[in-house]
Amino acid sequence: DQQVKQNSPSLSVQEGRISILNCDYTNSMFDYFLWYKKYPAEGPTFLISISSIKDKNEDGRFTVFLNKSAKHLSLHIVPSQPGDSAVYFCAASDQAGTALIFGKGTTLSVSS
Amino acid sequence: DVKVTQSSRYLVKRTGEKVFLECVQDMDHENMFWYRQDPGLGLRLIYFSYDVKMKEKGDIPEGYSVSREKKERFSLILESASTNQTSMYLCASQWRGNQPQHFGDGTRLSIL
Repeated sequence: DQQVKQNSPSLSVQEGRISILNCDYTNSMFDYFLWYKKYPAEGPTFLISISSIKDKNEDGRFTVFLNKSAKHLSLHIVPSQPGDSAVYFCAASDQAGTALIFGKGTTLSVSS
Repeated sequence: DVKVTQSSRYLVKRTGEKVFLECVQDMDHENMFWYRQDPGLGLRLIYFSYDVKMKEKGDIPEGYSVSREKKERFSLILESASTNQTSMYLCASQWRGNQPQHFGDGTRLSIL
C-alpha cells in the first residue's frame, strides 16, 4: 500500500504563474518531509524540507506547506520558470529520519 | 557541496552475471542508500547502511546484497542478474537522520 501518494502524474503551468504540487501520506509516524527535483539522466536534487513541528518553510521561490491533520503537504513555486520543468518527488521519513519513502512523482512542465 | 559518485553511468550485462555497482561519497556521511527508479513506480529503497559493515534491508532487497567496508564506499551487488533488474540505480548519502539525502547521477543498468 502506498504510504506517500502524488495523485497528479503531470502538471502544466505558464511561466510566471504559480505551480502547486501536492502530496498525501498515510503514515502518522512520518516526521520529516522533503521535496526533490529530478531532470532526465540525473539524480534527484534536494529542494526543500519541513519537519512535523512546522507548517510552512520557505526558500526563495519554493515554499512547502504541511497540514498534519489532513496528512497533506504541498510545494508552491512562485514564479514558475521554464527551468523548473522536471519530475518532482515528495518523500517522507519517520522519527529516525533515515529511510525515505518516495511518491511516484509529478512531471511539471512550465511553458514560456 | 556533497559529491556522490557512481562508478558507471551506463552498464550492460547478461542474465546470470554477478554485477557490482559502486558508490563513493566525499563528505564523511554516516548513512548511505541504494534505490532503484522505474517508470510509474518512483524510487524504491533496496538497502541502506548506517555505519561501516552495517546494513538494513529496504523495501525490495530480494536478489541484491550490499557491502560497506569503508565509510565512504557503498556497493550494490546483483548476485545473479535477471532481466527484471533492468533499471536506473541511484545511490545516496546522508550526514545523519533527519537531514536531506544527496544523490548520485545514477547508473542505467540493462540486463540482456
